[in-house]
Amino acid sequence: QSVLTQPPSASGTPGQRVTISCSGSSSNIGSNTVNWYQQLPGTAPKLLIYSNNQRPSGVPDRFSGSKSGTSASLAISGLQSEDEADYYCAAWDDSLNGPHWVFGGGTKLTVL
Amino acid sequence: EVQLVESGGGLVQPGRSLRLSCAASGFTFDDYAMHWVRQAPGKGLEWVSGISWNSGSIGYADSVKGRFTISRDNAKNSLYLQMNSLRAEDTALYYCAKGAMLDYYSNFDYWGQGTLVTVSS
Repeated sequence: QSVLTQPPSASGTPGQRVTISCSGSSSNIGSNTVNWYQQLPGTAPKLLIYSNNQRPSGVPDRFSGSKSGTSASLAISGLQSEDEADYYCAAWDDSLNGPHWVFGGGTKLTVL
Repeated sequence: EVQLVESGGGLVQPGRSLRLSCAASGFTFDDYAMHWVRQAPGKGLEWVSGISWNSGSIGYADSVKGRFTISRDNAKNSLYLQMNSLRAEDTALYYCAKGAMLDYYSNFDYWGQGTLVTVSS
């Protein structure tokens, strides 16, 4: 059971806009920024969005992130076949048991 | 170009130990925190441990606390993970990841390709 909650799957057709949600709590998303990672099949994760809505250089502006309260979202517009991948959200957790990083369980995006 | 190359994985019996290494290049190693993140077969990502640029701050996931030890050698641009008392549930692909800043509360901006650890009798 992951600390951050994501839908296990999402899908869309080419050209569509898809959103993936990530729900947390006051100790993680509620008080820290959210990062998103893309993991293409058989490869290592890649940073897609950091600090809620910032794109590293090289990431297309079709990818955008947002955060409100204890939830965050990743939006992909103009969906392309190469976007088919697993997507993970992550945030720092200020737990009293000791601060640590937490991930969502991942969302498998299928391009129909 | 940032490169992170993990090594040291393999098949190990439950209760035994293993040491993972990560060789870093393409950036000033001692300017950044480093992390280990693992992924069990067919499962999601799990943060294992992080270490600040000067080893002054270290953190572990509850699942490995007391069994795993992270360390770094800035002179050798290398990160390590000493894994003791290994369990079947430690079976995973272990990724080395670079932190975005000095301390390990910064996000992971580059990842290696991973090294597979299988714990089985």
